[in-house]
Amino acid sequence: QVQLQESGPGLVKPSETLSLTCTVSGGSISSDYWTWMRQPPGKGLEWIGSVYYSGSTNYNPSLKSRVTISVDTSKKQFSLKVRSMAAADTAVYYCARALTDWLPWDWGRGTLVSISP
Amino acid sequence: QSALTQPASVSGSPGQSITISCTGTSNDVGGYNYVSWYQLHPGKAPKLVIYDVSDRPSGISNRFSGSKYGNTASLTISGLQAEDEADYYCSSYTTTATLVFGGGTKLTVL
Repeated sequence: QVQLQESGPGLVKPSETLSLTCTVSGGSISSDYWTWMRQPPGKGLEWIGSVYYSGSTNYNPSLKSRVTISVDTSKKQFSLKVRSMAAADTAVYYCARALTDWLPWDWGRGTLVSISP
Repeated sequence: QSALTQPASVSGSPGQSITISCTGTSNDVGGYNYVSWYQLHPGKAPKLVIYDVSDRPSGISNRFSGSKYGNTASLTISGLQAEDEADYYCSSYTTTATLVFGGGTKLTVL
């Protein structure tokens, strides 16, 4: 089974860019879709977007203007950048392997990102 | 894209069955057989328990089952066990080629 591990800063300043990386082990990254979700404290899950191993992307329209997802198959990593971070972006961010854009299958444990005051 | 509607909480005693509903529209749940259900335990990786409305991934107990009627999908857990206590989220493909989740349901095993 594929294992995924999110990494990145736990604290980001307002207006700055959040950069998260997801490292894949136990399987190939050169297939399938690779996706990001988030869960604000006390709220539900939100799909951020996905990248196919070839590099094509698909984003949540509500976040599309501020988000970039990319994949580096040589490092077996994919990444998420969220620009102009604000308090509403405080959340646990999850990465996942997806069989299609709409089917996250294997998930990481998530990483909490907070906005510093 | 609005979140799918789930009850905030459900509860049941060990051995009983519970059902969690997930209501959307014809643009998501009602329009496609691409509804999934995820189990979230605090501090653990979310786990897929049902996909494509009613299919179970390998290793998932047959106590978990899914169905759909119109714009509402349902997850049923039979023979409730203490380990089933968790948050459950539904998700669906949408007409805009995106993924939408429900608001989540907290399952308490009494």
